[in-house]
Amino acid sequence: GAVVSQHPSWVICKSGTSVKIECRSLDFQATTMFWYRQFPKQSLMLMATSNEGSKATYEQGVEKDKFLINHASLTLSTLTVTSAHPEDSSFYICSARDSSGIGHIQYFGAGTRLSVL
Amino acid sequence: EDKVVQSPLSLVVHEGDTVTLNCSYEVTNFRSLLWYKQEKKAPTFLFMLTSSGIEKKSGRLSSILDKKELFSILNITATQTGDSAIYLCAVTQGGSEKLVFGKGTKLTVNP
Repeated sequence: GAVVSQHPSWVICKSGTSVKIECRSLDFQATTMFWYRQFPKQSLMLMATSNEGSKATYEQGVEKDKFLINHASLTLSTLTVTSAHPEDSSFYICSARDSSGIGHIQYFGAGTRLSVL
Repeated sequence: EDKVVQSPLSLVVHEGDTVTLNCSYEVTNFRSLLWYKQEKKAPTFLFMLTSSGIEKKSGRLSSILDKKELFSILNITATQTGDSAIYLCAVTQGGSEKLVFGKGTKLTVNP
């Protein structure tokens, strides 16, 4: 149980294009999902908290117009990196909190490695 | 400022050794502490600790929390090469759903 699927696992795009990353909770409902960014040899940095049916809450310093988050259902959240630039290249990881279970545990997707040329 | 500090930052051992990873925290309104294992991809959940002195155990891994001294340890006995990973400690606070992560301990187990 508690499986989170993230797609794609790896994407290469040209500078100026947009990239959408999907995060799905496969066997549980998640009213709250989280998006992280991880730089090499560093820990996870929370970008935003995604709430089903409402606007995402962004962490300080994260541009909401650049990193668009949509959480339209209890099992799906998407992160769209708009007008991507090489500095956006990173490892993006989503997590989901099981709404019905022990609320503190976040289950993570496998991550998406984004390379912007 | 809330913080989670893990030590050591990296550790190299031989198969069969026992290791202890440390996590100390200073956060307001502490609620729980979680351990994750991160290999090449995303973290996988190991333990969640909320009460002091109660050991959580799963196979060769075990963990315990000391809420008075504000730390937790993760023990791995009879280490195997498959235990090589980054071990992340994270803390949750009351009134927030966020995880506050430490920087992790990189464990390398050599054959």
